[in-house]
Order: sequence, then structure tokens, then C-alpha cells
Amino acid sequence: DAKTTQPTSMDCAEGRAANLPCNHSTISGNEYVYWYRQIHSQGPQYIIHGLKNNETNEMASLIITEDRKSSTLILPHATLRDTAVYYCIVRVQETSGSRLTFGEGTQLTVNP
Amino acid sequence: GAVVSQHPSWVICKSGTSVKIECRSLDFQATTMFWYRQFPKQSLMLMATSNEGSKATYEQGVEKDKFLINHASLTLSTLTVTSAHPEDSSFYICSASGNEQFFGPGTRLTVL
Repeated sequence: DAKTTQPTSMDCAEGRAANLPCNHSTISGNEYVYWYRQIHSQGPQYIIHGLKNNETNEMASLIITEDRKSSTLILPHATLRDTAVYYCIVRVQETSGSRLTFGEGTQLTVNP
Repeated sequence: GAVVSQHPSWVICKSGTSVKIECRSLDFQATTMFWYRQFPKQSLMLMATSNEGSKATYEQGVEKDKFLINHASLTLSTLTVTSAHPEDSSFYICSASGNEQFFGPGTRLTVL
């Protein structure tokens, strides 16, 4: 799986948009970009994933650059409960279930 | 999203004893389950991949005789930490693979 690079930490004001970047310059054509987050002392939570088109769901939006070498996770209106470590993971999607390799992630702190 | 449960949520045991952790997918069948370990201020590390009805596949450096994994049904996988020692104290997290990979809430193991 391709390696990803994320900033160690970011801060965001409550109510504002949080934009979390991820670099994955070695991504292959069949690899997807996944985002998970982990709130302190809990299991990771799936947020969103995409291949090359931008994606949006009830939690967030995922913007993938045209060359697919980087992406941005957008939380449109961050709340205090969004404080967590956010992991950007690149992997091949297999039908039988494929492993996830977690990097260090970005610690997002949402401030009141 | 799909629900994955773990039991117990926390456990304290004496050195030398064995501890069993259960992971259940509550609303879907999971052919594949994964076991992760997370030490304080570190990321998740994959320990093993568990496939229903077959032997688990362990990551390099993980002792298969110490961390026994059983995946007897499509909704249940168990991890038994045998002869636990203080260095095994960690946060153990399972995930189950359905359409996507969903994580349990984790089990905090403390070995005295």
C-alpha cells in the first residue's frame, strides 16, 4: 500500500471548516483513499473513502486532486466532538477484506 | 454504520494469567476480522488477520503461541493473551470486514 504523509497536528475553531491534508504521491491507479478517525480511547471510525472523484457524505467531504497525489478531508462545521486523530490510508479495495495500515495521523483539536 | 462489539471493555489481570477478548459483528457477517494493538501515544499496529474457519495470519514479530486467535463463526473472533505480562498491557482493537472495515470500541488490558 502507498505511504501517506499528514501533518502531526492541526487546530480549528468551533463552527469553522476543518481542512485536513494528506499526501500520497506514490498512490497506484487501483488504490483508494480512506479516512478514519479515532477519538481518545475508542476504536477508529470510518469517515469516507474515494478513488478519484470528490466524495461527500453526512460526515465530511473528500477532495482528491486530479493527479491523485494528495487529498483533503473537509469537516464543514467542526464541533468539539470532532477532536480526534484523523488517519489517511491508501489501500487496494479487495472483496474479501483488506488490511488497513495506520500511519501517525493528524491530531485535530477543535477549540471553543 | 455496522456495529462491532468487544468484550470486555477493560480488564486487569495478574502476570502469568490468560485473558480472552471477544469481538462480535452484530449486524453483518464478517469473513475476515483483524486484531490491532495500540500503545499509549502510538498508532494502531496490526497483529493478525483472522479468517473464519482457517488459521489466523500473524504479522511479523507477533507470537502466534502467545496471542491465540479463534474465528469460529462469521460473527465472532476471539483473542486470547496467554501468560500475560506487564509489557502486554495495551489497547486491543478488533475490526470486522463487511462492505467496509468497522472497528470495535477496544479493550484496555492492564497486566499487573
